[in-house]
Amino acid sequence: DQQVKQNSPSLSVQEGRISILNCDYTNSMFDYFLWYKKYPAEGPTFLISISSIKDKNEDGRFTVFLNKSAKHLSLHIVPSQPGDSAVYFCAASADGAGSYQLTFGKGTKLSVIP
Amino acid sequence: SQTIHQWPATLVQPVGSPLSLECTVEGTSNPNLYWYRQAAGRGLQLLFYSVGIGQISSEVPQNLSASRPQDRQFILSSKKLLLSDSGFYLCACQAMNTEAFFGQGTRLTVV
Repeated sequence: DQQVKQNSPSLSVQEGRISILNCDYTNSMFDYFLWYKKYPAEGPTFLISISSIKDKNEDGRFTVFLNKSAKHLSLHIVPSQPGDSAVYFCAASADGAGSYQLTFGKGTKLSVIP
Repeated sequence: SQTIHQWPATLVQPVGSPLSLECTVEGTSNPNLYWYRQAAGRGLQLLFYSVGIGQISSEVPQNLSASRPQDRQFILSSKKLLLSDSGFYLCACQAMNTEAFFGQGTRLTVV
């Protein structure tokens, strides 16, 4: 049973446009959500996070939106750049920011076309 | 800041051979340490986590084991590799109330 789902395995976006990556979860106990970015043959790097007490968190070109009632979160990248091309993993935990129990989605491969 | 050293970067091993992947951490004390595996089409799967020396928790039954002989050292092992053990193995570190920080990974191919 997959508790964190990223239903789009891939996404292609033109440079300069908005990229929207989606993530759904089933466990209502999740209270902290993270996005990681991963280049081939490298470890994932932390991108942005959001606590369940918020519905939006912004960091530069990256914004994460959380809709708790729908158990849905999304990552917006505006404007998209070719260097954003990577696999993006959504992760969730039920124990806050310091939790060691991160559940990851399968990832979405973003391709930003110049 | 935290630094994770994970080696080797790539490894090709025959079926039935042993495995030892090592991960060491700098820049933090008493971190939580993790081993993840990324297999084709399966995202990131947590294999083991450790909250202290000698303390190992396993998330999934498998052909692998882990050990933490020192505070900042985490080792992933197998006595006999299977073809299904192929994948990209990632060590991660997490200090108190911070996000997990990943190493560069080891690409393991079992042939």
